[in-house]
Amino acid sequence: QVHLVESGGGVVQPGTSVRLSCVTSGFTFNKYGMHWVRQAPGKGLEWVAVVWSRGDNQYYADSVKGRFTISRDNSKNTLYLQMNSLRAEDTAVYYCVKEFLAMAGTYFDYWGQGALVTVSS
Amino acid sequence: QSVLTQPPSVSGAPGQRVTISCTGSSSNVGAGYDVHWYQQLPGTVPKLFIYSNNNRPSGVPDRFSGSKSGTSASLVITGLQAEDEADYYCQSYDSSLSNYVFGTGTKVTVL
Repeated sequence: QVHLVESGGGVVQPGTSVRLSCVTSGFTFNKYGMHWVRQAPGKGLEWVAVVWSRGDNQYYADSVKGRFTISRDNSKNTLYLQMNSLRAEDTAVYYCVKEFLAMAGTYFDYWGQGALVTVSS
Repeated sequence: QSVLTQPPSVSGAPGQRVTISCTGSSSNVGAGYDVHWYQQLPGTVPKLFIYSNNNRPSGVPDRFSGSKSGTSASLVITGLQAEDEADYYCQSYDSSLSNYVFGTGTKVTVL
C-alpha cells in the first residue's frame, strides 16, 4: 500500500524559510517523478513543482520559481521542498504527490495528507 | 490564474445527470495532452477519479464518465447521488507554460 507522509509545516514569518519532507513507502520510489501541489485555504489546486525520478531535472510554477527548491533522496525514499523568501500568498496545504506517466500525459495517482504552511507575522 | 476553466458550481437532484466542463486551449487539451479528474470531498485529500480522459480507477462508480474533444473535456455524473457532493478538478499539461495545470474547480451540489 502506497503511503506519502508530509512533515515540516507550521506558522512562519514572511521572508523566512521552511523545509517540507515527504517520506514514502509502498512503491519503488526511484522509478517515479514526484510533485508538490498546494491548496490555499478555500481555494483550488495549484501545481508547484516536479522532480524527475533520478532527481536530475526539476520544474517549477512561475509563482515559486527562484524561491522554492524541490529535491529527493532516493536512498531514503523521501521528497523535499525547500521554501525560501516566503510570502503570505504561499499560505496553503502542501501535498506530496506521486505521478504516473500515461501515454499522453501525467496524472497524480497518490496524494499525501498534506502539510499546512501558514505565512504570517 | 488557471488555464483550464470550469464552471464554479453545478447542481442537480438525486438521480439526475450533471456535466462538468473543462475548457482549455491549443497548448494543453487541444495539443493532445490527456485530461484527468480529481474528486475532493469536503475536508479531505484530492483523489484521482478519472485518468487519461475516460478511465476510472478501481472503486470509482461507473456512473462517472469522462470524455475529451478538441480543446475541452467533460466529466459526466449519470444518476447523481448525495455522496457525490464534492469539488471536482480537471488537470492536464500545458506545453507553453511547461507546467502541469489544474482547472479552476467545480463544486457539485445535490439538491
